[in-house]
Amino acid sequence: QVQLQESGPGLVKPSQTLSLTCTVSGASITSGTYYWFWIRQAAGRGLEWLGRIDSGGTADYNRSLKSRVTLSVDTSQNHFSMKLTSVTAADTAVYFCARGITWGWFDPWGQGILVTVSS
Amino acid sequence: DVQMTQSPSTLSASVGDRITITCRARQNIGNWLAWYQQRPGKAPKLLIYDASTLQSGVPSRFTGSGSGTDFTLTISSLQPDDFATYYCQQYDSYSFGGGTKVEIK
Repeated sequence: QVQLQESGPGLVKPSQTLSLTCTVSGASITSGTYYWFWIRQAAGRGLEWLGRIDSGGTADYNRSLKSRVTLSVDTSQNHFSMKLTSVTAADTAVYFCARGITWGWFDPWGQGILVTVSS
Repeated sequence: DVQMTQSPSTLSASVGDRITITCRARQNIGNWLAWYQQRPGKAPKLLIYDASTLQSGVPSRFTGSGSGTDFTLTISSLQPDDFATYYCQQYDSYSFGGGTKVEIK
């Protein structure tokens, strides 16, 4: 059974870069035709997808983030990562990683990690 | 991006009730819709995909229907574990509805 686990700092200072990693277990990140996603949930603001990447490293991003987000994948470590630059308090959220397909649903999800942006 | 509107935002119900949640898309999305359940402090869990296909392991009391712009999620007989927040999600731009919180009456 595929499981995903987010890791990274829970506190980031304003204007700095938020870096998170999602480790995949139970299956190789290269198996199947999946995309690997980052999704966040800010209090009172619902769920928002941030970006997706395939095992070959091809990534797409939510235009609303205005090029602040970059995804990468490390197949040797079976994990993928996200960097979000120039963070503000508005980036405070629970960040989830998830597996998905080209145009489809997300399953499974990681448990989520709360990241707070504060000085 | 295709916007998704869910209603109601909150629904009060009792164990055993039949409830229906509605999700409306701003434009035709065919059957490109999924439903999730999220309990407090947990990740969303996929219930239904392609508007009406039940995800493996999900109880049959959950039913999805609809196509085009109007979709519904029905729980035929509400169980204690079902008190949670439910979200719809369309595939094209991965946008989610605002959520429906199902609370105990």
